[in-house]
Amino acid sequence: NAGVTQTPKFRILKIGQSMTLQCTQDMNHNYMYWYRQDPGMGLKLIYYSVGAGITDKGEVPNGYNVSRSTTEDFPLRLELAAPSQTSVYFCASSYLAGEAYEQYFGPGTRLTVT
Amino acid sequence: GDSVTQMEGPVTLSEEAFLTINCTYTATGYPSLFWYVQYPGEGLQLLLKATKADDKGSNKGFEATYRKETTSFHLEKGSVQVSDSAVYFCALHPGQAGTALIFGKGTTLSVSS
Repeated sequence: NAGVTQTPKFRILKIGQSMTLQCTQDMNHNYMYWYRQDPGMGLKLIYYSVGAGITDKGEVPNGYNVSRSTTEDFPLRLELAAPSQTSVYFCASSYLAGEAYEQYFGPGTRLTVT
Repeated sequence: GDSVTQMEGPVTLSEEAFLTINCTYTATGYPSLFWYVQYPGEGLQLLLKATKADDKGSNKGFEATYRKETTSFHLEKGSVQVSDSAVYFCALHPGQAGTALIFGKGTTLSVSS
């Protein structure tokens, strides 16, 4: 099992450019999430999905879009990059392990917008 | 809404010192509680969990007990090592399927030899 994989690891964008952050999990988990991590601020939820074809907004969705056409993949799209989107992005998936929903994280994508 | 508060860092300790990182939570239902660890340049890894009151989660010498009466889930380790240097996140899951974790802001631990 590779777990949760993310590409790319690093990216520098110019203001106004667009890009897609890729996320794939091979654990057949229904639930998937995108978070961003800013220094000293913990993790904030951008979007989540409870299954293929179903997505919903989290705490900070503005400037992002997602899709979930398969159980395995949950890409995050930035359409018009802004400096405020400079952050580290983590994808996660979860399942019910006994009595608790455990989340597993990818290694992250470090994005800089200049 | 539900929330998690953990102690501000950084925490700086010498090797073999005792570690406590405080975490308190606010929740309307019956959450599960977690500690995650993030080593430099890596993603978050699940360290331990507890699913109901008085449960004790433990892993790699770390422990935390789910205290409903004080709404706390403090992380402890009796003797820290340099390799424990990392950022530690306390988190709760409200319990509903598909709901995301709610994280504290993280506490940086630095252990010197």
